[in-house]
Amino acid sequence: QEKVQQSPESLIVPEGAMSSLNCTFSNSASQSIWWYQQHPGKGPEALISIFSNGNKKEGRLTVYLNRASLHVSLHIRDSQPSDSAVYLCAEGGGSALGRLHFGAGTQLIVIP
Amino acid sequence: GGIITQTPKFLIGQEGQKLTLKCQQNFNHDTMYWYRQDSGKGLRLIYYSITENDLQKGDLSEGYDASREKKSSFSLTVTSAQKNEMAVFLCASTGGGQNTLYFGAGTRLSVL
Repeated sequence: QEKVQQSPESLIVPEGAMSSLNCTFSNSASQSIWWYQQHPGKGPEALISIFSNGNKKEGRLTVYLNRASLHVSLHIRDSQPSDSAVYLCAEGGGSALGRLHFGAGTQLIVIP
Repeated sequence: GGIITQTPKFLIGQEGQKLTLKCQQNFNHDTMYWYRQDSGKGLRLIYYSITENDLQKGDLSEGYDASREKKSSFSLTVTSAQKNEMAVFLCASTGGGQNTLYFGAGTRLSVL
């Protein structure tokens, strides 16, 4: 079984809507949880990370982390067509640095 | 800012062939990584290196060799390409006290 599971596999929303992506991970002691964005033909780019229980907001992005339920979610407010991409959730970090465990991703499509 | 350059962008090989993928970074980062990305699966770590001439096995090292002869470059060798294999190989780096992974655009491998 994959250590990091993401849902849904794909998500289609209209421009201006809220996009909500979910991720469950296997290790409650993970140093950090990361969200990466990957456009077609490009490498993943780090979007936002969270270390502590609770939420973190950066611009149109909000992340919620609940270590007890091993769940993290990413919410994109006022979604734009340029947000269309694959979003990868990853857990790990600390002394393991780049030894992150990645989920398979959620394909987000924002319709103009 | 910096950049990670992977060559070649596309690689077509024959079954049983030894194939080499190259990665260069100008971030001056200490640690470099090779990940494999398969459709429908999360990124899996093949090898990483925390400094020049260091090599550490990841979760998927069987069938691969790696080499870190300079701080700025990290190469990966597929020792014997498998028929119908198709994947994207992503190189990444991190350093300077940050936990963020910076990725290249990838090498797309197809084996006939």
